[in-house]
Amino acid sequence: GENVEQHPSTLSVQEGDSAVIKCTYSDSASNYFPWYKQELGKGPQLIIDIRSNVGEKKDQRIAVTLNKTAKHFSLHITETQPEDSAVYFCAASSTGNQFYFGTGTSLTVIP
Amino acid sequence: KAGVTQTPRYLIKTRGQQVTLSCSPISGHRSVSWYQQTPGQGLQFLFEYFSETQRNKGNFPGRFSGRQFSNSRSEMNVSTLELGDSALYLCASRTHPASYEQYFGPGTRLTVT
Repeated sequence: GENVEQHPSTLSVQEGDSAVIKCTYSDSASNYFPWYKQELGKGPQLIIDIRSNVGEKKDQRIAVTLNKTAKHFSLHITETQPEDSAVYFCAASSTGNQFYFGTGTSLTVIP
Repeated sequence: KAGVTQTPRYLIKTRGQQVTLSCSPISGHRSVSWYQQTPGQGLQFLFEYFSETQRNKGNFPGRFSGRQFSNSRSEMNVSTLELGDSALYLCASRTHPASYEQYFGPGTRLTVT
């Protein structure tokens, strides 16, 4: 099956700086790559996603890039704010199949 | 539109007991997946249901089972609980197994003592 690796496991940044989280996947059949944000005591929240026919997608301060050849995708958060502090998960899936998740990145934004 | 709801939110059980967790998907969503989340193993897929049929199943023992009702609500059951079953159990829904966006509920925190 699919194997998704995520790095780093923890990340601390100063407020206003950028944060980058990277994931790799193994199955070339995967064609959907969502990112989830999980705050303490809550379920994961879908924040952005990208499909394999697109190289980059942006939504305000959040962007995701995908390199199909290298089988890796990244989450970029610019102008970080304290409310961005949470655990972020990447995932990979192919149409109609289950989702495989990375192990999570705990992001701390220092005011 | 209401999100995915899960009941109960917290549960404490004793080893050997069984437990049933419930999930109501977003209105119009007919596919429901269950995940186990632990600090050591992360988010692990348990199973997915669509049209009252299990479509996919993760690598969990037969003590973990589920079902889906005609209104798309789903339940999962864990029998003969073990200490290692302590986890956050998350339910996620999407409109159809072939659709991409999947939305999670708040989870049920199960503690086995």
